[in-house]
Amino acid sequence: AQSVSQHNHHVILSEAASLELGCNYSYGGTVNLFWYVQYPGQHLQLLLKYFSGDPLVKGIKGFEAEFIKSKFSFNLRKPSVQWSDTAEYFCAVKITNNDMRFGAGTRLTVKP
Amino acid sequence: GAGVSQSPSNKVTEKGKDVELRCDPISGHTALYWYRQSLGQGLEFLIYFQGNSAPDKSGLPSDRFSAERTGGSVSTLTIQRTQQEDSAVYLCASSYDRLGGYTFGSGTRLTVV
Repeated sequence: AQSVSQHNHHVILSEAASLELGCNYSYGGTVNLFWYVQYPGQHLQLLLKYFSGDPLVKGIKGFEAEFIKSKFSFNLRKPSVQWSDTAEYFCAVKITNNDMRFGAGTRLTVKP
Repeated sequence: GAGVSQSPSNKVTEKGKDVELRCDPISGHTALYWYRQSLGQGLEFLIYFQGNSAPDKSGLPSDRFSAERTGGSVSTLTIQRTQQEDSAVYLCASSYDRLGGYTFGSGTRLTVV
């Protein structure tokens, strides 16, 4: 079945640790890829997106993601996390104009 | 408005009652989406409106769910004869163009008791 998979349900890191959250999708063809973040008590916000071109995409707050087409992956990275990065992170794949599929989310807890 | 507005923010209802959830998208955004976020689950697509085209209802889980969008702006999601499994956060999002990401509202937390 077509799906978006986020491998980690809950990640716990200390401040200054490096972060990588995995995202794999199973759709063929052209896709648009997104990462959204939901801070505690807030609504979903767009972190970064990939449409075409350079597969390494830089987003807000020092986040980046790399699109690896051969692996159907779009992993999110940050070299040094902060306590304020504690949130839930959702990977999303837009396969048509009207259908964006989301992963189950990864909860990130950063210990001060 | 400046963002996507949803109301109410919280709704507690008795099993079997009907509920209406409202979404006011960003002005000028032609596309409007409803998603459902259940505890421990990802975001589940429910329905999509694009301009004056017929909505894509393929994600609605049952015929108890319906939605309309009046005048290409405000949308209402209606759940009839609510069940406990309908308890979730219902999110509305809008977008300006087909390539863009979505702007989400804060959601309506529905609890069916």
